Amino acid sequence: AQKITQTQPGMFVQEKEAVTLDCTYDTSDPSYGLFWYKQPSSGEMIFLIYQGSYDQQNATEGRYSLNFQKARKSANLVISASQLGDSAMYFCAMRGLGTGGFKTIFGAGTRLFVKA
Amino acid sequence: DSGVTQTPKHLITATGQRVTLRCSPRSGDLSVYWYQQSLDQGLQFLIHYYNGEERAKGNILERFSAQQFPDLHSELNLSSLELGDSALYFCASSGAPGAGSGVQETQYFGPGTRLLVL
Repeated sequence: AQKITQTQPGMFVQEKEAVTLDCTYDTSDPSYGLFWYKQPSSGEMIFLIYQGSYDQQNATEGRYSLNFQKARKSANLVISASQLGDSAMYFCAMRGLGTGGFKTIFGAGTRLFVKA
Repeated sequence: DSGVTQTPKHLITATGQRVTLRCSPRSGDLSVYWYQQSLDQGLQFLIHYYNGEERAKGNILERFSAQQFPDLHSELNLSSLELGDSALYFCASSGAPGAGSGVQETQYFGPGTRLLVL
């Protein structure tokens, strides 16, 4: 069965420091995508970064990078140089890729608090 | 702004009633997804439509139904509402499934409809 696990309900980080948010997954789909989203207190879901299961390199988007370890089934989000505006809920998600009918599953989320 | 629009933004109704939530995908996106976010269940995938056809179904109750119209907008109908249906309902859209790069299947979320059932 497909599953996403985010083991850190809450994390604190000092402003300007880097932080890693953990995500492990389980799937039987041969090809899949991993996504990270940010949900600020205002409620909207903001797409941050994507990693495909067959991508050779780890994805990066500005201050966000994804530490993808396929053999360990982990897709950790690294935020460098944390800013106060990074305080939010962060969700890891996964979906099989292709034309089949794939469900998208989300982890329970990690709430990040950035301290000044 | 993701380009996905949802109406209404807020909805307050009573138990037993029926409501319709509306979603317009980003320009060019053919896929629409519906999600329910509640405090106890987290973010739950409900259903996926692609170009008018149902593609995948998640934890959607029988009291709930959805459709995608020829102009690609989608509606989620919730009937016989219960207190436990109070939640934030998101719509998301993406490009065509299987369209080469998986990044095209990234889902962009609308602002959500906050439903309160009293």
